[in-house]
Amino acid sequence: GENVEQHPSTLSVQEGDSAVIKCTYSDSASNYFPWYKQELGKRPQLIIDIRSNVGEKKDQRIAVTLNKTAKHFSLHITETQPEDSAVYFCAGDPTSGTYKYIFGTGTRLKVLA
Amino acid sequence: DAGVIQSPRHEVTEMGQEVTLRCKPISGHDYLFWYRQTMMRGLELLIYFNNNVPIDDSGMPEDRFSAKMPNASFSTLKIQPSEPRDSAVYFCASSVGGAPLYFGPGTRLTVT
Repeated sequence: GENVEQHPSTLSVQEGDSAVIKCTYSDSASNYFPWYKQELGKRPQLIIDIRSNVGEKKDQRIAVTLNKTAKHFSLHITETQPEDSAVYFCAGDPTSGTYKYIFGTGTRLKVLA
Repeated sequence: DAGVIQSPRHEVTEMGQEVTLRCKPISGHDYLFWYRQTMMRGLELLIYFNNNVPIDDSGMPEDRFSAKMPNASFSTLKIQPSEPRDSAVYFCASSVGGAPLYFGPGTRLTVT
């Protein structure tokens, strides 16, 4: 079955620096990859997603890149701010159309002021 | 839009008791998902519905867990009898066409 690995598990950056979180997946049939942000005690919220027919997607300071050949995708946050501090989860759908999303184990990002 | 609504937000119960968690999806969404989140196991999919029909319940831990969706506006997740290892945050999420998922605020369940 699908396996999604996420790293690093924790990441500390200085305010204004960039942060990169990487995920790898095992099922080549996966074609939808969302990223969620979860603040302490709150719900996961979608911040960006990408489909397999696109290599990169950007939304202001957030971007996601996808390498289907290598089966990995990455979240890039530029000009980090203290409010970016949270746990970030990646996910993949193991088989197109089943919606049995497998979530990564999460990355705790700390932005140091 | 009120978003996904879950109740109760917190539940503390004793081992052996029945627990019922409730969810109201976003109006117009045709998929509903139940997830469980723990530190040890992360976010786990328990079951999901499409147009009120259960599609995959392979993530339901055991027969003590059951879920229903009697109509497009309401779903329940029931645990009977509850055990301490069921303590977790249970999230309901809904979507149109399966993606993206919009999560509810969650129910924090503590079984003593």
